[in-house]
Amino acid sequence: GDSVTQMEGPVTLSEEAFLTINCTYTATGYPSLFWYVQYPGEGLQLLLKATKADDKGSNKGFEATYRKETTSFHLEKGSVQVSDSAVYFCALRQPLTSNQFYFGTGTSLTVIP
Amino acid sequence: GAVVSQHPSWVICKSGTSVKIECRSLDFQATTMFWYRQFPKQSLMLMATSNEGSKATYEQGVEKDKFLINHASLTLSTLTVTSAHPEDSSFYICSHLLAGNQYNEQFFGPGTRLTVL
Repeated sequence: GDSVTQMEGPVTLSEEAFLTINCTYTATGYPSLFWYVQYPGEGLQLLLKATKADDKGSNKGFEATYRKETTSFHLEKGSVQVSDSAVYFCALRQPLTSNQFYFGTGTSLTVIP
Repeated sequence: GAVVSQHPSWVICKSGTSVKIECRSLDFQATTMFWYRQFPKQSLMLMATSNEGSKATYEQGVEKDKFLINHASLTLSTLTVTSAHPEDSSFYICSHLLAGNQYNEQFFGPGTRLTVL
């Protein structure tokens, strides 16, 4: 079945450091891929998404490219800020057959000044 | 963007009581709604899917008599945890599906933290 494997955390970075959170998926066909962010005490917010191979999703300085050849959707940011501290979830959905999301286990990021 | 609200955001109750959580989409209509449960430091676990006009579909292992879901309208879904016990303490998150194109998008509520004493 469909699944998402996410880099385990927690991740601790200094402000302005480069961030990569790895995400790989297992799925048939052409799923849509998402990154969600969850700030402390809050629900999930969509950070970015990509709906087909080679698409690049971007938002708030974060980027992720849909790589079908490596079944990956790694999240990157060139210079993190303290306010980026949160839990990041990678997810996939098969838009044509299901409305169900499959989430990774989440990666906790802490950015220190 | 589309906004989903949840109420209450935090509730503490005694063991054996029932708790109702409301989930509203504020500026769109949703024919499909989802309820998730999240344990500390874990990912979201889908509990059930609710489509307008039909009964909720529960995931394997989720007790439908304990977690009552009502798809009251196109903008409101409720989850009632009946006879709550300490093991039901968790973070409950709803999402509403914004339908309309091939890439239907879910919008999540901010979550409700339930603590059962």
